[in-house]
Parts: sequence; C-alpha cells; structure tokens
Amino acid sequence: EAQVTQNPRYLITVTGKKLTVTCSQNMNHEYMSWYRQDPGLGLRQIYYSMNVEVTDKGDVPEGYKVSRKEKRNFPLILESPSPNQTSLYFCASSSASSTDTQYFGPGTRLTVL
Amino acid sequence: SQELEQSPQSLIVQEGKNLTINCTSSKTLYGLYWYKQKYGEGLIFLMMLQKGGEEKSHEKITAKLDEKKQQSSLHITASQPSHAGIYLCGADWKPGKLIFGQGTTLQVKP
Repeated sequence: EAQVTQNPRYLITVTGKKLTVTCSQNMNHEYMSWYRQDPGLGLRQIYYSMNVEVTDKGDVPEGYKVSRKEKRNFPLILESPSPNQTSLYFCASSSASSTDTQYFGPGTRLTVL
Repeated sequence: SQELEQSPQSLIVQEGKNLTINCTSSKTLYGLYWYKQKYGEGLIFLMMLQKGGEEKSHEKITAKLDEKKQQSSLHITASQPSHAGIYLCGADWKPGKLIFGQGTTLQVKP
C-alpha cells in the first residue's frame, strides 16, 4: 500500500530538548516536503527536497533542519524547540512528474511547553 | 510577496446544489494544486493544473486554470455531505516551493 508515515503522531516536549520527527515513503518518490499548519495562519511549507541530497527552504524554515540522505526518508529536526513551534506538522511526497498524485502523512501534533 | 487569495472563506450549501471556490494569484504560477482536508486530519490531493486553460475532473469535482495561469476555480456539481470539509489551493512559482491559500470551509446541508 502506497503511504507516507510519520512518527511520532503526538509529542509533548519541553523547550530546548532536541527532537526529530521522521517521515518515510514507500513509493520511491523524488519529492518530499514538510509543512506546518496553525489556526489563522494556514498551511505553510518548512523545507522541501527535490531528490537525495537536494533540499531547499520553504516559507518558514527558521528553527528547523532537514536532511535527505536516502530517497525514502526525510526527517525534520528541531534542534532547540520553542513554544512557537507548537503546531500540526505534515510530511508529503510525490514523484518528479508534476502531475502525479501527492501523498500526505497523517500528521504529527507537537506541543512544546 | 507571492500570495494566494482564496474565496469564499466559508460556504454553506444545500445538498444537491453546485458550488465554486476560487483561487487567485498576483503572478503567473508554475503549478496550481487543490486539496481537501477534514478538520485536524491529513490532506487529500485532488488535482494539479499546470497548463493555461487546463481543466481536470475527478468524480463530481472539476478544476480549471485560466489562460494566464493566475486564477483557478474548483467546481463541485450536485454537492453531497461527503464533499464537506476544508478545500485548500496551493501554488508554486518555483518548482517544489509551495504556498497555500487560507482555505474554504464547506458545509453541505442534507
């Protein structure tokens, strides 16, 4: 079954404690991306990757890091989380063909105290 | 800065009625995307338009992109309660770098 998985689904942490949210896809997709969704601010792109070792900033990259060492995985790293990073995070993937379906993960609800 | 204006913000329609949601950009787009989201859940990709004048359909949902590639509309024919949710348009001016509209909340009354 084609899918994008995210872990963890829910996380409550404290300010400054480094964390990683994993994203994995099983469709051999080239393109992967991270988004955050906040009430009143909508959905915003954090980082995206067009292929292995190719990453670029989205609209709101501050406070986040990513890496794309292998095609299937695109982890989101918060080196020193702050309360303003409390949000609902989504990972997505698609093939290089721009008309292909995009697949979204189920979301990770992060609370930073 | 590049922005997407989506309208209306919310919509309540009677089951069986048609409806249209619009998405407008101030600049020519590379690609225009439509998504549906149930509150608090993941996004479902509906379709992507890339060519000026392009039109795509999926079941009772049709999306069009104007010739200038600055405006798109999403049209639902004979709405059903299953169509209820939040509809989002997204766009990129540079491949892969997406921004999104604020969303349209659709309620369909039985």
